[in-house]
Amino acid sequence: ELKVEQNPLFLSMQEGKNYTIYCNYSTTSDRLYWYRQDPGKSLESLFVLLSNGAVKQEGRLMASLDTKARLSTLHITAAVHDLSATYFCAVNWEGGSEKLVFGKGTKLTVNP
Amino acid sequence: NAGVTQTPKFQVLKTGQSMTLQCAQDMNHEYMSWYRQDPGMGLRLIHYSVGAGITDQGEVPNGYNVSRSTTEDFPLRLLSAAPSQTSVYFCASSYSSAGGIYEQYFGPGTRLTVT
Repeated sequence: ELKVEQNPLFLSMQEGKNYTIYCNYSTTSDRLYWYRQDPGKSLESLFVLLSNGAVKQEGRLMASLDTKARLSTLHITAAVHDLSATYFCAVNWEGGSEKLVFGKGTKLTVNP
Repeated sequence: NAGVTQTPKFQVLKTGQSMTLQCAQDMNHEYMSWYRQDPGMGLRLIHYSVGAGITDQGEVPNGYNVSRSTTEDFPLRLLSAAPSQTSVYFCASSYSSAGGIYEQYFGPGTRLTVT
């Protein structure tokens, strides 16, 4: 059974600070996704990581994947209030993109 | 393109009632999925489809039926609503590209309350 664990589940940080969200998964997978969700909204795709050592960056967010450790990180650099949201990682289940297993999410609050 | 659309946006049902949540996509995507999201949880897969006429169960299929008669539509049926089915339901679609990028597109969600 594929399990996906995120930590921390809640993160309160000050503007300008750096922090990392961790995503561990229990079985081999060839694809990892990061999503952002604002309150009451749908999911917005941030990154799709396909291979070991993959690193992608968009603005103040950088995601990486270590398939050997079954670990992905989402690093936040110099946080701003607009980054406040819930961030989910998800891993494809049994090889299909139509079947994702999600972590419980990390609720990020960036305080001025 | 409208992307992935879902109707209704909100619905209140009484225990035992049945209803269908509608999902449509206009991107000609092969894959479509239904997820539910409960407070403090990530999304959990209910049912999925890899093409017209082909469906299968996800993690939490009990109490739900699906069918896929066309590429565009993937309705989710609640057979006899229960309070435990109170949730936000998201439909998603995706496709397989040559580069192996399977981008998932999520609909806006349907917020369902069962009393």
